[in-house]
Amino acid sequence: AQSVTQPDIHITVSEGASLELRCNYSYGATPYLFWYVQSPGQGLQLLLKYFSGDTLVQGIKGFEAEFKRSQSSFNLRKPSVHWSDAAEYFCAVGAMDKLVFGAGTILRVKS
Amino acid sequence: DGGITQSPKYLFRKEGQNVTLSCEQNLNHDAMYWYRQDPGQGLRLIYYSQIVNDFQKGDIAEGYSVSREKKESFPLTVTSAQKNPTAFYLCASSSPGLGYNEQFFGPGTRLTVL
Repeated sequence: AQSVTQPDIHITVSEGASLELRCNYSYGATPYLFWYVQSPGQGLQLLLKYFSGDTLVQGIKGFEAEFKRSQSSFNLRKPSVHWSDAAEYFCAVGAMDKLVFGAGTILRVKS
Repeated sequence: DGGITQSPKYLFRKEGQNVTLSCEQNLNHDAMYWYRQDPGQGLRLIYYSQIVNDFQKGDIAEGYSVSREKKESFPLTVTSAQKNPTAFYLCASSSPGLGYNEQFFGPGTRLTVL
């Protein structure tokens, strides 16, 4: 069965520091992979997606993610975190015609 | 502006009552989805529909019902059979590109059972 693991429930980083959020997936075929962000009490916004081609994908708000097939990973990165990046982040894999989500990582930014 | 609207934003229900959550989209998307979100559990799929007058159960359909009479609308009814309905409910839509996987989300409805 398809699954997504986000090992970190909470992460705290200082403003201006770099960020990496981890995501591992389990899926038999070539995956479609997504990162979404959710502010408290809001819906989900798509940050970036991978479906083929270049394994390093750029997204909105200065985020990027790298697909590593050998590690079944799709980690999200940002070189310099801003206070407004504090939110919950979800990794998802496209499985047939549905999305399977990880449990999410809550990012806290300290000044 | 194209998008997905959900109403109401907050909903309170007494035990034993059915309530209906609204979801409307003007993106001309074929597929629509309902998810339930609980803290620390990510999003779990309740029902989805890829075509008018047809829908499929997701992972946690028990205690919920849906209809898809119009392409733009996919209301969710939380019935009295749902034992623990207090949660945040998210509606999404997508098109056949990328196998329906790229989904766009509404702002959510928070349901509280009193």
